[in-house]
Amino acid sequence: QVQLVQSGAEVKKPGASVKVSCKASGYTFTDYDMHWVRQAPGQGFEWVGRIDNVGATTTYAQKFQGRVTVTRDSSTSTLYMELSSLKSDDTGLYYCARDWYGSYDHWGQGTLVTVSS
Amino acid sequence: DVVMTQSPLSLSVTLGQPASISCRSSQSLVYSDGNTYLNWFHQRPGQSPRRLIYRVSTRDSGVPDRFSGSASGSDFTLKISRVEAEDVGVYFCMQGTHWPYTFGQGTKLEIK
Repeated sequence: QVQLVQSGAEVKKPGASVKVSCKASGYTFTDYDMHWVRQAPGQGFEWVGRIDNVGATTTYAQKFQGRVTVTRDSSTSTLYMELSSLKSDDTGLYYCARDWYGSYDHWGQGTLVTVSS
Repeated sequence: DVVMTQSPLSLSVTLGQPASISCRSSQSLVYSDGNTYLNWFHQRPGQSPRRLIYRVSTRDSGVPDRFSGSASGSDFTLKISRVEAEDVGVYFCMQGTHWPYTFGQGTKLEIK
């Protein structure tokens, strides 16, 4: 069965960087584009960025441009998101999600990133 | 960006009664291939979202048939024919037609 297992919670200081991972199993990793989505505390969902199935193309939300990098390693079937220059309003749950024709058919369990001095 | 406006933002329903959630898009969600990439998800407290419906009205495997999706132009509706206790949580729509994908604000469903 398809599983997306994310790395554990992180606590970072403002200005620092964080790298979150998402390990995929149960399917051919290179068959699907992958996305990152953020859910701020008590808020809705916000798209962060995506990477194509082979890691050739990335696209980022304008508000994260220059601060976020999404990569993937097909040898380990792992997706990564690195977010730099962290601010307090970057605090939230970050989810990886598998893209299937304009939809997310599988989600990771979420990684809580807390930015606090 | 496409704005997805959901209503109501909260819903209190008696067990066994129907529920309906609306989602309106700020522009057409019909893609050049003729498909409409409108999805509905359910998120229980402390859990990841689970997709219920994709392409407006196709239910995911294992989703009870009391859930249905429909559309009228840029207005989309998720209906639960008879609410059960396990249906509590937040429901949200998401469009996957235009970049970036965007989400409704979410509707919190509770049992009355």
